[in-house]
Amino acid sequence: DQQVKQNSPSLSVQEGRISILNCDYTNSMFDYFLWYKKYPAEGPTFLISISSIKDKNEDGRFTVFLNKSAKHLSLHIVPSQPGDSAVYFCAASGNRDDKIIFGKGTRLHILP
Amino acid sequence: DAGVIQSPRHEVTEMGQEVTLRCKPISGHNSLFWYRQTMMRGLELLIYFNNNVPIDDSGMPEDRFSAKMPNASFSTLKIQPSEPRDSAVYFCASSPRGAPSYEQYFGPGTRLTVT
Repeated sequence: DQQVKQNSPSLSVQEGRISILNCDYTNSMFDYFLWYKKYPAEGPTFLISISSIKDKNEDGRFTVFLNKSAKHLSLHIVPSQPGDSAVYFCAASGNRDDKIIFGKGTRLHILP
Repeated sequence: DAGVIQSPRHEVTEMGQEVTLRCKPISGHNSLFWYRQTMMRGLELLIYFNNNVPIDDSGMPEDRFSAKMPNASFSTLKIQPSEPRDSAVYFCASSPRGAPSYEQYFGPGTRLTVT
């Protein structure tokens, strides 16, 4: 049973517009959420995170929103740039555990 | 810092052969993780170590898979015997203990093809 779900395998967005990537989770014990970005032939790299005590965290063009009641988080990229084309993984952790549960990823295409 | 180093980057082998994947974590990191990425299952955790000790191997698919961490700077993931369904990209990641310990640093991966 998938505890972290990314229901959109791919997303295409025009350059300069907002990209919104969504993620749902089922385990209410998760207390830390992360987004990773992956380019082809490379390992995932950490992008941004949010603790369950917050509902928003912003870092430059990237903002993550957390809705605990809905068990939903989203990543907003504004404005979208060509270099943002990659696979984005949503991940979650909890109970002071070191391990992270990843979603299957969403492939983002930024169109010129 | 060189980052997490994995070898080989690509491995092609025949069914039934033994495969050994290698990982050198970032110096000073206390936690090491092995992941497998496939189209069907995404990025799944196989096993992780804290201070060279295996903590959770519940993701290891079966007894054909084994992992060791003999010291803080080296880990191996072995598949014996290998099968075509083991074909995937295998990632190693390391993380420092303590906050923000959840941020893991990934190696470039080993693409394994079993024919």
